[in-house]
Amino acid sequence: DIQMTQSPSSLSASVGDRVTITCQASQDITNYLNWYQQKPGKAPKLLIYDASNLETGVPSRFSGSGSGTYFTFTISSLQPEDIATYSCQQFGDLPRTFGQGTKVEIK
Amino acid sequence: QVLQQESGPGLVNPSETLSLTCTVSDGSIFSYHWSWIRQPPGQGLEWIGYIHYNGGTTYSPSLNSRVTISIDTSKSQFSLKLTSLTAADTAVYFCARGRSVFRLWGQGALVSVSA
Repeated sequence: DIQMTQSPSSLSASVGDRVTITCQASQDITNYLNWYQQKPGKAPKLLIYDASNLETGVPSRFSGSGSGTYFTFTISSLQPEDIATYSCQQFGDLPRTFGQGTKVEIK
Repeated sequence: QVLQQESGPGLVNPSETLSLTCTVSDGSIFSYHWSWIRQPPGQGLEWIGYIHYNGGTTYSPSLNSRVTISIDTSKSQFSLKLTSLTAADTAVYFCARGRSVFRLWGQGALVSVSA
């Protein structure tokens, strides 16, 4: 299985801050990587697909980059409604695997 | 809600079988693959497997011996069966559309395995 290592596991930032989360794959997955946002008690919501493509309707403050084994997810200006857990997911191989998630809180 | 999940049994005894069903309400069951994904309390997401409308399935190797995903296109439904349950199977179970990019999710069903 491809292991997805996400960091940090949690972070606290102020409104307006730039927030960056990283995801490292245990082997090359080219750009076969997605990012999801999950709020408590809710299903995940797709934000970024194919490493850097913004899903329709998602605010432009969210972005993704990377390829191969190293990927980053950025919130350019943190908003109160962005409080959630963010997870990466690879589809370069079976089985599909997810990172353990990064919990984002407001400082 | 396009993907309508049944609430599920809530509490299941160890060694028993879990059964969950998801209904696709917009007629798109013939257009996509359909997945099941679970999330143990306080943990990350785990992909279980997916099915195509023609019945073809792919399962996670870690669950392959215990899982069956089926589809009933006449009812626009797909289902999950997981046998020989243990406490480690306690999780919120989600149905989702897709096999690689999961754009649409059901609301989730909490299943607790305990005597």
